[in-house]
Amino acid sequence: DAGITQSPRHKVTETGTPVTLRCHQTENHRYMYWYRQDPGHGLRLIHYSYGVKDTDKGEVSDGYSVSRSKTEDFLLTLESATSSQTSVYFCAISDYGLGNQPQHFGDGTRLSIL
Amino acid sequence: AQKVTQAQTEISVVEKEDVTLDCVYETRDTTYYLFWYKQPPSGELVFLIRRNSFDEQNEISGRYSWNFQKSTSSFNFTITASQVVDSAVYFCALNSGGYQKVTFGIGTKLQVIP
Repeated sequence: DAGITQSPRHKVTETGTPVTLRCHQTENHRYMYWYRQDPGHGLRLIHYSYGVKDTDKGEVSDGYSVSRSKTEDFLLTLESATSSQTSVYFCAISDYGLGNQPQHFGDGTRLSIL
Repeated sequence: AQKVTQAQTEISVVEKEDVTLDCVYETRDTTYYLFWYKQPPSGELVFLIRRNSFDEQNEISGRYSWNFQKSTSSFNFTITASQVVDSAVYFCALNSGGYQKVTFGIGTKLQVIP
């Protein structure tokens, strides 16, 4: 299994508070991704990174920011959480780009915003 | 723009029946990659197969088989002699345009009844 660790695995917080989710990999893969999974929507890309300090937006990036200061860590931040951001968040990694390798996913973080 | 349609949101079959999960995709690119992932009730996402647009050969892996038809923009997944362990949500996904982004379908929930 790909070495991907998401933390925390579960979190409950209140509207308006900042939240940071961490994705840590031990595979030294170049690409890292954050998705959210919601019923009726499948997985939707929030942001992804193609290298240290190199990131780009996905289709649902509003309200989220990311940072990647080193290869192994990709942080997702909700600056001021809203109830609409209650979801299951998945981190994924891939190497050499998707043309050569599929993504491998972490186990997910269940985030509830009350 | 790329799009993936999984029209079957839920399917129930009796154990040992064959079942086909449909996936229709849209892209204007000539080079693209298609994926299937499995999400069992435990929640993790498991990679099943990757296919590039230049390889229309069907693939079989044990009880699993995939039928890729460019003429109909479909990449269907068949499980032969289904088992209870096949119960999961199955996602079809598409990567195209040279970007490291993947678009997922909304998933098909398969329930195999003993």
